[in-house]
Amino acid sequence: SQQGEEDPQALSIQEGENATMNCSYKTSINNLQWYRQNSGRGLVHLILIRSNEREKHSGRLRVTLDTSKKSSSLLITASRAADTASYFCASRRGGTSYDKVIFGPGTSLSVIP
Amino acid sequence: SAVISQKPSRDICQRGTSLTIQCQVDSQVTMMFWYRQQPGQSLTLIATANQGSEATYESGFVIDKFPISRPNLTFSTLTVSNMSPEDSSIYLCSVGGGLAGRTQETQYFGPGTRLLVL
Repeated sequence: SQQGEEDPQALSIQEGENATMNCSYKTSINNLQWYRQNSGRGLVHLILIRSNEREKHSGRLRVTLDTSKKSSSLLITASRAADTASYFCASRRGGTSYDKVIFGPGTSLSVIP
Repeated sequence: SAVISQKPSRDICQRGTSLTIQCQVDSQVTMMFWYRQQPGQSLTLIATANQGSEATYESGFVIDKFPISRPNLTFSTLTVSNMSPEDSSIYLCSVGGGLAGRTQETQYFGPGTRLLVL
């Protein structure tokens, strides 16, 4: 990919379990964003974490960022069947609208009812 | 109402032809970005389009194949030229910041144009 890796590439869990997805990136960043994409649909922005933040929460989502390791993780707690989707991390080197956003390869999550 | 709209939403084209995709934003933005998402893959940045200047292309993408126009601060087009089946993808327009009432840093995406080349 243009920027980094994500693991696992695919994840299958039972409803109610937690899902953890990891993302690594190659260059220094200003912020990192996580997106969800349901099959055949558009991208939904989930959460943004800045380089000076270590952890961020939004509902059932928890994102961590380790800039020393150039990695981030997305945790979805108490998963639901509706969480079945592909999840992508996307990193931005600068903090302005001039700066491009580069995507990781994504994780395909299946939540089994 | 949608913040970013794209036309067409989908199309089926014959190889050797060209398709122009339109992207309209509901407020003025400095930069617009075009991405490609091949089947089952992640998004790959094609180019960055700044109003009033030539687009900047990422490695592996060239202007002859993907010419871009950016005539004003709310509109851009991407043309996929001389198409082959390998161009079958979703093409997405994106903007970062410069949207009224939204976080400057968040990157927003249009719904995408689904292209199938036969």
